[in-house]
Amino acid sequence: EPEVTQTPSHQVTQMGQEVILRCVPISNHLYFYWYRQILGQKVEFLVSFYNNEISEKSEIFDDQFSVERPDGSNFTLKIRSTKLEDSAMYFCASSEAGERPYEQYFGPGTRLTVT
Amino acid sequence: AQSVAQPEDQVNVAEGNPLTVKCTYSVSGNPYLFWYVQYPNRGLQFLLKYITGDNLVKGSYGFEAEFNKSQTSFHLKKPSALVSDSALYFCAVRDAGGSYIPTFGRGTSLIVHP
Repeated sequence: EPEVTQTPSHQVTQMGQEVILRCVPISNHLYFYWYRQILGQKVEFLVSFYNNEISEKSEIFDDQFSVERPDGSNFTLKIRSTKLEDSAMYFCASSEAGERPYEQYFGPGTRLTVT
Repeated sequence: AQSVAQPEDQVNVAEGNPLTVKCTYSVSGNPYLFWYVQYPNRGLQFLLKYITGDNLVKGSYGFEAEFNKSQTSFHLKKPSALVSDSALYFCAVRDAGGSYIPTFGRGTSLIVHP
């Protein structure tokens, strides 16, 4: 069964450093998403991406964040200058389409620790 | 605005007993409702969804959920729990006429005791 993959599984970085989290969505999916989950809290939407552009983003997704689909398979989330409060589990997800209620398929997550 | 509440942080049940994980929602229009499960060190896995039609929805691993419009609820159920069902369960809601981004609940930890 196809699945979403994410690398690395755990990233430790110092405050102020840039990090890039990588995801490979399911190959025939058209919509891609990033979510985060701070320890013990709810899963929060960050951004969705379709047709090589951001289609929706939350207030969390400020200028420090960016997303890119550099090739036909990878989908990346960049945090330019990490803050302590960016420490969280980051999940990538993909779905067949957006407007119809297709379920999202999630990757295993990247645990980001900012020290 | 859309929101979802999972009133229980943790649910404990003995193996073989029925289980219920509660979820209530709020949307402006008609809801699309989802349940996901998260096992340790894994991403969220889709269990089932309600879009329209029959209020009782059947999903993966023997789980089902009942949509109740008057109570704005979408509780997850299973007739006979297994120890392997122990995991974190997330309810999510989307407004059918609004954003296609779902809002997730805080999650409920299900612990099934042998």
